[in-house]
Amino acid sequence: GNSVTQMEGPVTLSEEAFLTINCTYTATGYPSLFWYVQYPGEGLQLLLKATKADDKGSNKGFEATYRKETTSFHLEKGSVQVSDSAVYFCAPSDNNNDMRFGAGTRLTVKP
Amino acid sequence: DSGVTQTPKHLITATGQRVTLRCSPRSGDLSVYWYQQSLDQGLQFLIQYYNGEERAKGNILERFSAQQFPDLHSELNLSSLELGDSALYFCASSDRTGAAGELFFGEGSRLTVL
Repeated sequence: GNSVTQMEGPVTLSEEAFLTINCTYTATGYPSLFWYVQYPGEGLQLLLKATKADDKGSNKGFEATYRKETTSFHLEKGSVQVSDSAVYFCAPSDNNNDMRFGAGTRLTVKP
Repeated sequence: DSGVTQTPKHLITATGQRVTLRCSPRSGDLSVYWYQQSLDQGLQFLIQYYNGEERAKGNILERFSAQQFPDLHSELNLSSLELGDSALYFCASSDRTGAAGELFFGEGSRLTVL
């Protein structure tokens, strides 16, 4: 099955700083790749996704590019806000069965 | 609002007891997933059902069991509870299997075992 290695946290940044959260995966095929976000006190929700190599997923100023050659899907944002404080999860999936997530990276943004 | 409903939101019980957590998926979603989230272990996949049948099993203890009913709601039964079972339990649903797609999560059931 697929597996994912995610950058360990916690990550603490000042407002307007640049964010990178690393994610690499192992898979037998070419899965779709997802980033989910969990805000305090809530369940996970989809942040962005990419379905094939070189696709870029983007949402709310966040971006991630599907890199087949490095099996990576790093999450980036050019200028973080306090409201981005959350836990971020990376996940590969090829058929929605046995959906497993990375360990999660907790981001705290300070004003 | 994801459309996934979990009850109860909070539950406090004692060691050795048994509890049932309930999940109603989004309307029309056939797949239901259960996850356990504890502070030190991240989000652990427990089990998945699709249209009433078990589809995948993760790190689910033998003391735990689940099922999905004909109306597609699901229940997670936790028995002989231990202190270490204290966690947030999430249910998620999706409208597909066999192709990758978005999972929709409920707000979770927080279980505290004293």
